[in-house]
Amino acid sequence: LAKTTQPISMDSYEGQEVNITCSHNNIATNDYITWYQQFPSQGPRFIIQGYKTKVTNEVASLFIPADRKSSTLSLPRVSLSDTAVYYCLVGDMVGSARQLTFGSGTQLTVLP
Amino acid sequence: DTEVTQTPKHLVMGMTNKKSLKCEQHMGHRAMYWYKQKAKKPPELMFVYSYEKLSINESVPSRFSPECPNSSLLNLHLHALQPEDSALYLCASSQDLSSRSYEQYFGPGTRLTVT
Repeated sequence: LAKTTQPISMDSYEGQEVNITCSHNNIATNDYITWYQQFPSQGPRFIIQGYKTKVTNEVASLFIPADRKSSTLSLPRVSLSDTAVYYCLVGDMVGSARQLTFGSGTQLTVLP
Repeated sequence: DTEVTQTPKHLVMGMTNKKSLKCEQHMGHRAMYWYKQKAKKPPELMFVYSYEKLSINESVPSRFSPECPNSSLLNLHLHALQPEDSALYLCASSQDLSSRSYEQYFGPGTRLTVT
């Protein structure tokens, strides 16, 4: 099973770019990397998913180096409403009974 | 409709009770999940259904019993729970497992308290 490590917390100011890194040293060949955002008392919300290199959508970018042992979620120009817990999720469910493993989560606090 | 609904929102039950949590989605997703989340911890996968068949059972105690009556519904039957089972129970769905898209849509959860 892929074990993931994330910083416990990060602070940023409005308008700044925030980068949150997740380490997953024993990621398997078929594992995908997915990031979620969670507000208190709500279910997680999908942000972005990737397998290798760089992926970008309307809200974030995901950078995955060639060895895939880490990934970095990049949030451009954060606002106060981006204050939340961010989780990386690593795994694959196809074929054998693999697992999807959430990281421990990073509490991002955006300050005015 | 990209919503996953869960009922009830809150549930308090004694250790001898039997209760059920319900989850529903109408996105045509064929994979559905149950997670357990304790305070300030990440969600922990409990069960995964793929095309209404149980695909993953992560060594969950038998006092938790999942059921998938059809492709839109997912139940979690609870019996003889322990106080340490108190947690937020989250339901999620995704397109299917073979697509390798783990874009899961989560419901708001059921806050369960076992007394």
